[in-house]
Amino acid sequence: QVQLTESGPGLVHPSETLSLTCTVSGFSLTGYSVYWVRQPSGKGLEWMGRMRYNGDTSYNSALKSRLSISRDTSKNQVFLKMNSLQTDDTGTYYCTRVLGGADYWGQGVMVTVSS
Amino acid sequence: DVQMTQSPSNLAASPGESVSINCKASKSISKYLAWYQQKPGKANKLLIHSGSTLQSGTPSRFSGSGSGTDFTLSINRVESEDFSVYYCQQSYSLPWTFGGGTKLELK
Repeated sequence: QVQLTESGPGLVHPSETLSLTCTVSGFSLTGYSVYWVRQPSGKGLEWMGRMRYNGDTSYNSALKSRLSISRDTSKNQVFLKMNSLQTDDTGTYYCTRVLGGADYWGQGVMVTVSS
Repeated sequence: DVQMTQSPSNLAASPGESVSINCKASKSISKYLAWYQQKPGKANKLLIHSGSTLQSGTPSRFSGSGSGTDFTLSINRVESEDFSVYYCQQSYSLPWTFGGGTKLELK
């Protein structure tokens, strides 16, 4: 059974770094790519970046200078780190497995950026 | 980046009605278009990929059409469980981009 579960702090202070973990089960990170997508509260979806099955990464140029995605295949985890957070980074962050489209999504983790 | 324009933003329908949602890309994306359903408290669901291919588990009342720049998601005879938000998304080029969403609500 394919599952993705995001975890991380619910509250981050402005200018600090966000660290999120996506823990997967039911598939191998060396066989599938995992993407990160976020959604500001009440707004639409924004693609952030990806960890491909072969370990390559790509980032949204709008976030590239602040964003880093890595993985630990032995722990079935993909990591997202984004620095210099501001209030407009508040929203729900999702990880998703990609095959064709994004065929499995986590439930998302809500992140609030506030002092 | 490829801009995706989705219309309408809101759509009211009664159960049993048939509805359509449109998505327009700012440049040709061939058939690299997916549709998703979003419901509160539930994981987002992939309905259709490659423009018209139903994802396993998607009810047959859903269909997708189009290629190039213009795409349509159709729901034949809406059921109560279909009232939610729908997004289109292109995977022709990075960054993936999404439409602004369509909220399908009960009339």
